[in-house]
Amino acid sequence: SQQGEEDPQALSIQEGENATMNCSYKTSINNLQWYRQNSGRGLVHLILIRSNEREKHSGRLRVTLDTSKKSSSLLITASRAADTASYFCATDARAGGTSYGKLTFGQGTILTVHP
Amino acid sequence: GAGVSQTPSNKVTEKGKYVELRCDPISGHTALYWYRQSLGQGPEFLIYFQGTGAADDSGLPNDRFFAVRPEGSVSTLKIQRTERGDSAVYLCASRRRDQETQYFGPGTRLLVL
Repeated sequence: SQQGEEDPQALSIQEGENATMNCSYKTSINNLQWYRQNSGRGLVHLILIRSNEREKHSGRLRVTLDTSKKSSSLLITASRAADTASYFCATDARAGGTSYGKLTFGQGTILTVHP
Repeated sequence: GAGVSQTPSNKVTEKGKYVELRCDPISGHTALYWYRQSLGQGPEFLIYFQGTGAADDSGLPNDRFFAVRPEGSVSTLKIQRTERGDSAVYLCASRRRDQETQYFGPGTRLLVL
């Protein structure tokens, strides 16, 4: 079963606008990761945020994590047509204090950026 | 450097047949994962290898699915008596022991007719 749930399921914006995607999860985590997928094939790792971090930046990406609400958001600023893809959050759950990278993915947000 | 590679890219088979899907991880990556992604869904964990041993195979849906990694590098996912419901994209990922980031291959799209 999927732990993460993304919101919205689909997002359509104009080039230059910001895109915000949200992710909720259910169990304690070691870290949360965001991935991008084009055309239903390989996933590209975007950013990782650890459970003791609250915000992280990478280029035009900003990720926040609220462990009390078990939620995360991904913000893409100044979007481009090339950002059109599916975006997934994935949680690396803590199991007895250890983690070996077993990821649980959400269903994803389909982002469409119109030129 | 080379990324994770998977072969074949696409596989079409008939119900009841046996298939093997191959994953070549990034050199030096000791951890290897298989995931399955159905249309419109996120990937779902199948099995995790640390070295040659399957450390967690809790995601394998039933005993028709089996995976090996005999030399701690290449892995093969084997599906016996395929069913139409097995149709999906099968993704492989690898990771260095001291890193958290997983690197995914392009996947094998399996279609069972």
